Amino acid sequence: QVQLVESGGGVVQPGRSLRLSCAASGFTFSSYGMHWVRQAPGKGLEWVAVISYDGSNKYYADSVKGRFTISRDNSKNTLYLQMNSLRAEDTAVYYCAKGLRFLEWLRDAFDIWGQGTMVTVSS
Amino acid sequence: QTVVTQEPSFTVSPGGTVTLTCGLSSGSVSTSYYPSWYQQTPGQAPRTLIYSTNTRSSGVPDRFSGSILGNKAALTITGAQADDESDYYCVLYMGSGNWVFGGGAKLTVL
Repeated sequence: QVQLVESGGGVVQPGRSLRLSCAASGFTFSSYGMHWVRQAPGKGLEWVAVISYDGSNKYYADSVKGRFTISRDNSKNTLYLQMNSLRAEDTAVYYCAKGLRFLEWLRDAFDIWGQGTMVTVSS
Repeated sequence: QTVVTQEPSFTVSPGGTVTLTCGLSSGSVSTSYYPSWYQQTPGQAPRTLIYSTNTRSSGVPDRFSGSILGNKAALTITGAQADDESDYYCVLYMGSGNWVFGGGAKLTVL
């Protein structure tokens, strides 16, 4: 079945970097856009970034633009989120989510979600 | 900056009907925003319920339905059950590769 498994979370000091991974299985990874969505403790969901199915298009929320980079390796069925210059307000559970539409990524919805990985930014 | 608005909480009786809405701080929601809805219980990942305004995701019971009501997107739960007690989030596609979540609505079935 379709599965997404995030990894790479942990505790990191402000200003440092962390890279999250999302391993995909059960579907043709290279045919779907992929997203990162986060949720701060006790708060709502916040969209973070999207990457097109071929990796040629990437967009970010204003809150992470210039600090975070989304990427993918279609040969490894893996999505990444490189997070630099981390701040306390980046503390959250980070979910990867599969886009809904085949070979589409704009105007898309989120389909399948991973279980999330916790990132804590603290000194 | 446009904010996506949701009423923070609702209470519905078992078997009852409830409608959650999703609006904009400025302007009206239309199908062009491709509204979608997600259910989340504490400690769990979100689950996709509705996309493109009114299309149910695979496996979602037909007592969940989506629509546009007036100037807002709406999620209606008909015949509410105890396990519908969750947080519900709407998302709007704002264009230019940008999605924005509403603040979420907590549904109590009581």
